[in-house]
Amino acid sequence: ELKVEQNPLFLSMQEGKNYTIYCNYSTTSDRLYWYRQDPGKSLESLFVLLSNGAVKQEGRLMASLDTKARLSTLHITAAVHDLSATYFCAVDIPPGANNLFFGTGTRLTVIP
Amino acid sequence: IAGITQAPTSQILAAGRRMTLRCTQDMRHNAMYWYRQDLGLGLRLIHYSNTAGTTGKGEVPDGYSVSRANTDDFPLTLASAVPSQTSVYFCASRETLWGEQFFGPGTRLTVL
Repeated sequence: ELKVEQNPLFLSMQEGKNYTIYCNYSTTSDRLYWYRQDPGKSLESLFVLLSNGAVKQEGRLMASLDTKARLSTLHITAAVHDLSATYFCAVDIPPGANNLFFGTGTRLTVIP
Repeated sequence: IAGITQAPTSQILAAGRRMTLRCTQDMRHNAMYWYRQDLGLGLRLIHYSNTAGTTGKGEVPDGYSVSRANTDDFPLTLASAVPSQTSVYFCASRETLWGEQFFGPGTRLTVL
């Protein structure tokens, strides 16, 4: 059975701290996406990772993909309150399929 | 307006009624998708369309139908709504079958 697992599911962190969100998936794929969702809002695309070893950075967020380990990470550097949101990873399984399989999300709260 | 629009924004519906959720995109994307989002379950694919004139079933298609008469529109119909279809529904699209998906603002549906 296909699984896309994120951890932690809930994360409360202080401003200025660093932390990493993990996304594990259970079958072969070399295409992974990270999305952000604010409460009551739609999903916003953050990163597109299309190959093993891919690393993307935008502001205080950095995402990476290890297809051999079937693992992606979303690293938060020096968190600020504006980063509070739910973060989802999603995987194309198999690559080029007509669906994204989503993790259940990580709800991040950054405390001043 | 560039992007994806959905209508209605929210709806309360009596069980047994028929309902069509509308989705329109102006990006000329070939692929379109309908997801439902439920607390703790992430996003689950209901139906998809790889190109105008074709549709397919996703992970949770029962009780829903779709059509794709043209590139821009992808309506989702609940033939006879049931309370378990209470959810937030998101329409999404992407240009190809392996790129990031872009999401509409969502429709919050309550079936009583």
